[in-house]
Amino acid sequence: DIQMTQSPSTLSASVGDIVTITCRAGQDIGDWLAWYQHKPGKAPRLLIYKASNLQTGVPSRFSGSGSGTEFTLTISSLQPDDLATYYCQQYKSYPYTFGQGTKLQIK
Amino acid sequence: EVHLLESGGGLVQPGGSLRLACEASGFTFKSYVMSWVRQAPGKGLEWVSAIIASGETTFYADSVKGRFTISRENSKNTLYLDMTSLRAEDTAMYYCAKPNYGVFDSWGQGTLVTVSS
Repeated sequence: DIQMTQSPSTLSASVGDIVTITCRAGQDIGDWLAWYQHKPGKAPRLLIYKASNLQTGVPSRFSGSGSGTEFTLTISSLQPDDLATYYCQQYKSYPYTFGQGTKLQIK
Repeated sequence: EVHLLESGGGLVQPGGSLRLACEASGFTFKSYVMSWVRQAPGKGLEWVSAIIASGETTFYADSVKGRFTISRENSKNTLYLDMTSLRAEDTAMYYCAKPNYGVFDSWGQGTLVTVSS
């Protein structure tokens, strides 16, 4: 199985800050990586696919980068609505695996 | 618009069984791989199982292999998850998700399974 490791586990930032979340894969996954936003009581929401492609309808302050084993999700200007937990997911091969999540808190 | 509606969750004793269902609409169900993803209380997302469009091939997480069975009824646009030998650690919100080339672009609202005596 391909292990996905996110850092940090929790992150506190202020409105307007640039926020970066890192995801590391246990082996080369190319660019078969997605990022999701998950708010309590709601279904997860796809933000980024194929490492750097923005899903339709997602604000442009979200961006993704990386390939191989190192990936990042960046929020260019943090907004109050971005309070959520963020997950990376590899879909290079089954079993698909998620990172353990990064809980983003607004200062 | 894609709509996925899960049902069948509830309270079950350890060792018991439960069948989850997911009714799909808004897309050509019979053409898509479908998956189940779960989230235990206070934990992260965990992919559980997937089934190809025809239903002939299935995939499982090691944590549920041999206990859970995924299936589908394309004539009814419905996905199922049969869960047996349930354990406390299976307690979770179970989401039906539609992958698009592996990426989950549509999710249901989830159905809660609680395994407890």
